[in-house]
Amino acid sequence: GENVEQHPSTLSVQEGDSAVIKCTYSDSASNYFPWYKQELGKRPQLIIDIRSNVGEKKDQRIAVTLNKTAKHFSLHITETQPEDSAVYFCAASLSNFGNEKLTFGTGTRLTIIP
Amino acid sequence: ETGVTQTPRHLVMGMTNKKSLKCEQHLGHNAMYWYKQSAKKPLELMFVYNFKEQTENNSVPSRFSPECPNSSHLFLHLHTLQPEDSALYLCASSQDLSRPGGPSGTGELFFGEGSRLTVL
Repeated sequence: GENVEQHPSTLSVQEGDSAVIKCTYSDSASNYFPWYKQELGKRPQLIIDIRSNVGEKKDQRIAVTLNKTAKHFSLHITETQPEDSAVYFCAASLSNFGNEKLTFGTGTRLTIIP
Repeated sequence: ETGVTQTPRHLVMGMTNKKSLKCEQHLGHNAMYWYKQSAKKPLELMFVYNFKEQTENNSVPSRFSPECPNSSHLFLHLHTLQPEDSALYLCASSQDLSRPGGPSGTGELFFGEGSRLTVL
């Protein structure tokens, strides 16, 4: 089955700087890669996703890049703000819209230092 | 925000107790899920109900028993649990397009706030 590894497990960034979280996956058939954000004591929420026919996707300060050859994808957050502090989970799936095969990484705790 | 609601939010039970977790979604989705979230581990998929049929159980121990009476409600029945079962149990729903001819949707998982379970 799919195996998703996520690094780093913790990350501290000065407010205003950029943060990068990286994930690798094992199954070359995976074609859907979402990122979820979980603030302390709250539910995980989708913040951005990318499909295998796209190499990069941006949404304001958040961007995700995908390298299918190397089987890795990354989350980039620019101009970080205190509200970006949370745990971020990457995931990979064999299906564009079905979640039965969605495999999550272990999460990255991002702390923004004011 | 009341898209996916879970009750109870906190539960403490002994190993011989029987309890149930409840999840309700008001989003009109056709798939519902139970995930287990433990410290420093990935979110673990336990059960999937797609179009009210169970499609995945990922070899979950039989002391966890799911029930999906309709597309809006999902239960997780618990009995004779072990201390290592203590975790946050998250319910989620989505509009699943894995079946041809289904309705449109993003496939995004909408999570509830979870039920924090402690087994003594």
